[in-house]
Amino acid sequence: GEDVEQSLFLSVREGDSSVINCTYTDSSSTYLYWYKQEPGAGLQLLTYIFSNMDMKQDQRLTVLLNKKDKHLSLRIADTQTGDSAIYFCAESMNHDYKLSFGAGTTVTVRA
Amino acid sequence: EAGVTQFPSHSVIEKGQTVTLRCDPISGHDNLYWYRRVMGKEIKFLLHFVKESKQDESGMPNNRFLAERTGGTYSTLKVQPAELEDSGVYFCASSHPTGWGVQETQYFGPGTRLLVL
Repeated sequence: GEDVEQSLFLSVREGDSSVINCTYTDSSSTYLYWYKQEPGAGLQLLTYIFSNMDMKQDQRLTVLLNKKDKHLSLRIADTQTGDSAIYFCAESMNHDYKLSFGAGTTVTVRA
Repeated sequence: EAGVTQFPSHSVIEKGQTVTLRCDPISGHDNLYWYRRVMGKEIKFLLHFVKESKQDESGMPNNRFLAERTGGTYSTLKVQPAELEDSGVYFCASSHPTGWGVQETQYFGPGTRLLVL
């Protein structure tokens, strides 16, 4: 199976919260990342969490990590139309080590 | 500060032809990576340069792919001869070496969309 798995699609109403889930298999993962890709653009790092943390909050973004279950989630509060994009979960042993990505979750924000 | 740039943005070639992709990393970034996303699937690692040396090329699919980074600045990825399954988006990323804190994270370019017909 794949190292990092995430659901492919999420539709959310503007103003609601979005939750994107991800599971990974490598227990040696030290860093877990969320990247965002807008149409025609590259990958933008949204946030990352170190494996000894349970939660990280940055403005509208909240990352939760359950290391025991190897489960990572990204919550976007007050979702806006500009949040429509593909969100990739990734893991790595170190910042300068290769990243292992999921297939990406396409988030569509509807009015 | 300019970001990671890639050229071309799109390329359409016929099976059997050769294509060369170029990546210009952020100035001062010793680490340079190539990744590929095929058919809407996960983004897969291809290889990692530290300056001009190949640190890890475990993701290179076969010997039709050749990556170079002469002088430790920009990098090229050549596919020769191209096959249909090589179609996808090729991303380049760069980063500072370990010790720079948050700047160690990988910064990605916009990607080159390759279509092999």
